[in-house]
Amino acid sequence: ETGVTQTPRHLVMGMTNKKSLKCEQHLGHNAMYWYKQSAKKPLELMFVYSLEERVENNSVPSRFSPECPNSSHLFLHLHTLQPEDSALYLCASNRDGNTEAFFGQGTRLTVV
Amino acid sequence: AQKVTQAQTEISVVEKEDVTLDCVYETRDTTYYLFWYKQPPSGELVFLIRRNSFDEQNEISGRYSWNFQKSTSSFNFTITASQVVDSAVYFCALSEYVGGFKTIFGAGTRLFVKA
Repeated sequence: ETGVTQTPRHLVMGMTNKKSLKCEQHLGHNAMYWYKQSAKKPLELMFVYSLEERVENNSVPSRFSPECPNSSHLFLHLHTLQPEDSALYLCASNRDGNTEAFFGQGTRLTVV
Repeated sequence: AQKVTQAQTEISVVEKEDVTLDCVYETRDTTYYLFWYKQPPSGELVFLIRRNSFDEQNEISGRYSWNFQKSTSSFNFTITASQVVDSAVYFCALSEYVGGFKTIFGAGTRLFVKA
């Protein structure tokens, strides 16, 4: 248990569905992140939120929409995804950008 | 531009062998931070160590040790007397300030430790 909780752990969705991934931390951290981990590819940073403000958006397609309603919660809203979006989506948080990050166990997403 | 290279994609060893995982980084900044994380089969990355660029002292923690050499831009990780539970993917990461700290991860090295 790292203090970062992601739900659901597994998700199968059709290309026309809309779903959301949830991440929660009660570590008092100020920054939260979404990463995508695909097979045989490096960990890709998708979004960064610092003090609830988005500070990074690494050219992620608009079919991924993040939301950070407060410093403890982070969502990733998904719509009209493609099969190549199937991956492990990891949420992380840290106190500051240069400190160690705590990761959730990830959501294994399969787009069919 | 930041870059982290973990040239070893997969390593396989027999239990009790020592193994070193390589990490080479590129950065133009003088202030930066280096990390190692372990990703077991359960999925979450687990923090192992953080070093700042001004602290080149090597560190030992139990069976784990880290060798930071700025002259070669390397931050290698050695596991002594490996155990089956060490089997995981290990990531090296670099964080530097570019209008805010940005962390980039290497591609990871998958370590198999056989009994």
